[in-house]
Parts: sequence; structure tokens; C-alpha cells
Amino acid sequence: GQQLNQSPQSMFIQEGEDVSMNCTSSSIFNTWLWYKQDPGEGPVLLIALYKAGELTSNGRLTAQFGITRKDSFLNISASIPSDVGIYFCAGQARGSQGNLIFGKGTKLSVKP
Amino acid sequence: SQTIHQWPATLVQPVGSPLSLECTVEGTSNPNLYWYRQAAGRGLQLLFYSVGIGQISSEVPQNLSASRPQDRQFILSSKKLLLSDSGFYLCAWSRTGIYEQYFGPGTRLTVT
Repeated sequence: GQQLNQSPQSMFIQEGEDVSMNCTSSSIFNTWLWYKQDPGEGPVLLIALYKAGELTSNGRLTAQFGITRKDSFLNISASIPSDVGIYFCAGQARGSQGNLIFGKGTKLSVKP
Repeated sequence: SQTIHQWPATLVQPVGSPLSLECTVEGTSNPNLYWYRQAAGRGLQLLFYSVGIGQISSEVPQNLSASRPQDRQFILSSKKLLLSDSGFYLCAWSRTGIYEQYFGPGTRLTVT
């Protein structure tokens, strides 16, 4: 089946640092979504992307729909402690029934 | 605005006991509804989705079932729970033809 490769699996952040993560696939996707999940809660939709090359911001978060339509990137600028959590990418593949495929997540933690 | 509710929030059940988890959506009509399971805080596995009352599609064969008795109500059930059914169960909804999914707060199920 179709899979999304999300990296890195985990990373440590220091307040003020910029953070980058990405998702790649071997298939072409029509839609890319980015979610954040806090412990014990449901994922919250951060950004939705619908066009190749699209760059969309939500506050300090910026996401891009890759030109090849096989990848997407999420950047967090000037991170703050409340940015910790798990970030998931999700995509809707071309030719699929419309259900989303989720990456395995990138876990952001605070540097000790 | 739309809201999605799940209950119970947490549940501890013995092996072999039945299960019923409920999800309701407010503020929209004819939503697509989804049940996901998340193990160990990572990765979302789609279990069931529904595009209308009485219409259920299963993604993964297992001892769970789903029903949609009303437009905005989605129920996840089991006749006999297994240890492997433990996890975090998430309900989500989307508008017809739109891929953005919105998640509920989740139910933490522990089978002992």
C-alpha cells in the first residue's frame, strides 16, 4: 500500500530555534495536510495544501506542497516550549478513494 | 461552528468483555466519519469510515465493528475485546468531497 515517509522521527528543540520536517512518498498526492497532536489529545489540523508549489503560513508555521507532488515540508520558526508534541503529515493520493494516508509522526521535545 | 465529541474519555475493560465507543458531531450535516486507532502515541491506523447513515467501510479486518445509526453519530463496537485492542481511539469527520479531517479528543482504551 501507499506509505508516507516522515522525517525526522524525533528531534529536540531549544527555544528560539527554527525547526524543519518533511514527508515524502513514491506516489503523487493531490492534498497535503499537517497536524499537531499534544499528549492525550486528538490531532489538530495546522495547515492544508492543495496545489503543487503552494506555500502556506499559519503564524510561525509554514508548509509547502512540493513541486513534484510527492513531498511536503513543514517549518516552525522561532520555536517556543508549547511547540512540543507530535507533528503528522497526511496526504490524499491521486487515484485513491479519498481517505488520508498518515506519516508516522515527528516528535518534538525540549532539549534537556 | 462544528464540534466533535467522544466518550468515554478513558475505559478499562477486561479481555472478552464487549465494547461500545461513541462519537457525535455537531454543527454540520451529512459528514464523512472515521474511526482510527493509535498505538503507543504514534501512527494512525484507519479502521472504518462512513459516507452516510448505515454505510460503513472497513479498512482492517479485526474483531471490531462500526455502525452509523444517525447522520452525526458513529459507534465503534466489539463483542469480545482482545488485549491487542488496547490503544487510543480517535473519531474524525470531514465534509463531503473535502479531505481535511477534524479529530475528536479520543478515547484511551486499556484491555486487561
